[in-house]
This record gives sequence, C-alpha cells and structure tokens, in this order.
Amino acid sequence: QKEVEQNSGPLSVPEGAIASLNCTYSDRGSQSFFWYRQYSGKSPELIMFIYSNGDKEDGRFTAQLNKASQYVSLLIRDSQPSDSATYLCAVNRGSNYKLTFGKGTLLTVNP
Amino acid sequence: GAVVSQHPSWVICKSGTSVKIECRSLDFQATTMFWYRQFPKQSLMLMATSNEGSKATYEQGVEKDKFLINHASLTLSTLTVTSAHPEDSSFYICRPPGLASTDTQYFGPGTRLTVL
Repeated sequence: QKEVEQNSGPLSVPEGAIASLNCTYSDRGSQSFFWYRQYSGKSPELIMFIYSNGDKEDGRFTAQLNKASQYVSLLIRDSQPSDSATYLCAVNRGSNYKLTFGKGTLLTVNP
Repeated sequence: GAVVSQHPSWVICKSGTSVKIECRSLDFQATTMFWYRQFPKQSLMLMATSNEGSKATYEQGVEKDKFLINHASLTLSTLTVTSAHPEDSSFYICRPPGLASTDTQYFGPGTRLTVL
C-alpha cells in the first residue's frame, strides 16, 4: 500500500468553479498535513497546512482533515487559470520527520 | 518563512563528470537539510538528510558513494553527483526542516541537472 495516495488526474474544471483535490495516507501516526502547488519546472510552494481535524480556510483555499478516515482534501474556490498546476499532498509525523509525498494531481482550470 | 537558495539553478554536463549542487540557508541556521530528487511527472523522493557535524543519513536504495552529501556549515549543505550518467538527470531540491512550532516546510528553488 502506498503511503500517500492521490488521484493523478488530470482534473479539469472551468474557471470560477470549485476544484476538489483528495489525498489518503496510511501512517496513523501522521501529525501534519501539507498541500503544495508545483508549476512545471519549478519547486513546490506551500499552500496550506493543517494539523487538526476539521476545516481550515485561507482565502480561496480550504483544507479538510479527517484523521479517523486518514483523509485530507483541498478545495479551491473560484478557480483561476493560474491555479493550473500539480498539487502535492504531503504528510509527516512532526516537523523533524521527513515529509512523505503523494504523486500529485494535475489540475487544469479552463478559461 | 525560511529562505533557501540553490546554486546552480540548472546545469548540463557530460556523462562521467561530477556536479556539485549548493543549498544555502539565507536567514537562519540549519543543522539539518533534506535533499529530494524529482524525475519528470513523478513525485518528490527523499534521497538523504545532511547533518551538520556528522555523516548524512541516506534513504534506502540511494547510493552513498554516488551522491555525496556534506553539511559544511550551519548555512551550507552540498550534494555532489559523482560520475553522473544520463539516468541521474533530474530535478534536485533541498529543504530545511520546519521549526517545531511553525508550519515552515519550504523548499529551495531546485537545480535541474541534465547529463548528456
């Protein structure tokens, strides 16, 4: 079983729609959960992090965590073409532990 | 967040040569640095962790003699790809560990290595 799983996509949504990205993880000891956005040829940039069950909102982004189901998601409201990128889910057991990444979901927002 | 620079940002070399990649922490001191490799359309894979003042810790399957990692100071970690071959062509990225109470899990800008 893969440690962090994501649907590779591509996920295609129209401009202005809500994009929903999902991630499951296998390590029940995971404490921290991160969403990164990576444009082609660039390094990943941190979008959101979440530690506690429930929702966390930051602008157009909402991260949702359900530790019982070992599931974390990212919602992007009012999607823009500039949101088109690969979104990586990452988890770790704490800040001094290594981050384990999923393979990423390619999101395309169509104008 | 923590600022990290990498040099060079890209490099093209001939097969058999060695390439050194530098990762510098610009506004903080890092006793540890994580090194990742990313092949096209693949996810990031942790290669090793450099430790200031001690040997690097390598992930399973990573050749220690091929990927030399050195943590020379609290602001500099280096990855040297020795006797590079085309299959070593990849995107190499460093990342400092997050601080205990913050969310800082930022990556360096990466180095694109192409081996001809």
